[in-house]
This record gives sequence, structure tokens and C-alpha cells, in this order.
Amino acid sequence: EVVLTQSPATLSLSPGERATLSCRASQNLDNYLVWYQQKPGQAPRLLIYDASNRATGIPARFSGSGSGTDYTLTISSLEPEDFAVYYCQQRRVWPPWTFGQGTKVEIK
Amino acid sequence: EVQLVESGGTLVEPGGSLRLSCAASGFTLSSYSMNWVRQAPGKGLEWVSYISSSGSNIYYANSVRGRFTVSRDNAGDSLFLHMTSLRVEDTAVYYCVRDKLGFTGSFDHWGKGTLVAVSS
Repeated sequence: EVVLTQSPATLSLSPGERATLSCRASQNLDNYLVWYQQKPGQAPRLLIYDASNRATGIPARFSGSGSGTDYTLTISSLEPEDFAVYYCQQRRVWPPWTFGQGTKVEIK
Repeated sequence: EVQLVESGGTLVEPGGSLRLSCAASGFTLSSYSMNWVRQAPGKGLEWVSYISSSGSNIYYANSVRGRFTVSRDNAGDSLFLHMTSLRVEDTAVYYCVRDKLGFTGSFDHWGKGTLVAVSS
């Protein structure tokens, strides 16, 4: 089973700042890495698939990068609606499809 | 518009059974693989089960294998999760989730979820 470790657990930033979230895998994912956003009381929303492809309707301020075992989600300039929990998930080795534990982006 | 609407969640005693349903609309269910993903209160996401578009391939998380059964009715636009021998640790919001076409394991649409609470 692939283990995903996200860091930091919490990121405290102000609107307009840049957010950089990390996801490290226990083995090579060959870019089969997915990012989701979850707001309180809501279901997760697909942001990025296969490391760097934005899902339909996702703003350009969200970008994904990385390779091998290390991946990054970057939010170039935080909007008020971006404060949420972000999860990475791998689809390289399955089943099971596994998630990271999440990074909470909170308002500083 | 794609919609996934779960139902069937409730309070159940340990050892009990429950059947969750997911009504799909806005797309052709028979073309898509589907999943159940759960989230315990205040915790992260856990994939539970996968069923291919035709139902010929099915997978389960180790934590539920032998206790949960996934099925689908493409003609009726529905997905199901039959849960037996429920444990306290099965308490969670259960989401019905669609696979992105051509990208197995990228979950592009989620329902709002249904809460299953296992407690005596």
C-alpha cells in the first residue's frame, strides 16, 4: 500500500499570499497523483489530476507539479474561498487508492 | 449537471447491517466506474470500494472486505453498498464517487454523503 505524507499539517497564511503544499509518497507514483479541496461540511472537489492537470472549472491560480515521490500543490495568490483542507491521493498502485492525511490552509 | 445523491445512512448498533444507495443523474452511469469513499468525523478520506462500469471488476479496502458488498443497477442509475457486521470504526460519512473517464482513480464527482453512525 502506498503511503502519502502531506506537509505541513496546517498552513497559516493571509489572502493574497502564495501557498505551497507538499505530498510525499512511499514509492514512485509516475505522476499519478491527484489533489482535492474540501471545505467544512462539503464533499471534496477534484482540483488537479495526474500531478499537473487542472480539473474542469478550476482557476489558474491552482497548479500542481512534481515527479517521482515528491509533489506540490501551489496556490499562487490565496482568495478567501481557498481556505480549506487539501488532500493528495495516488492512483498509481491500486487497490487501494490511498489519500494523504490532509493539509489545512487557514487564515492567519 | 452531474448529480450523485446518497441515502440510507442512519444510526445502527454494532453487528448490524445497512444498505446505502446512490442515485446518479446527469450522465450515463453505465459508462463510468464508481466508488465509495468514507470520512470518519474529523478525520481524513478513506477509499472503501470500487466497481467497474459493467460490474465485472470489484475491489474493497482491507478494512471492509468480507463485510461490505458493492453493486450497481445501470438501468436504474443506482449504486449500492450493502454493509454487514458493522463496527464502531465504520462510523463515517459515506460518499458516492465517480471515476473520471479514462483516469481510473481520479474522483471527479462526489455526492454530498450520507452519515452512518455505529453505536450502542
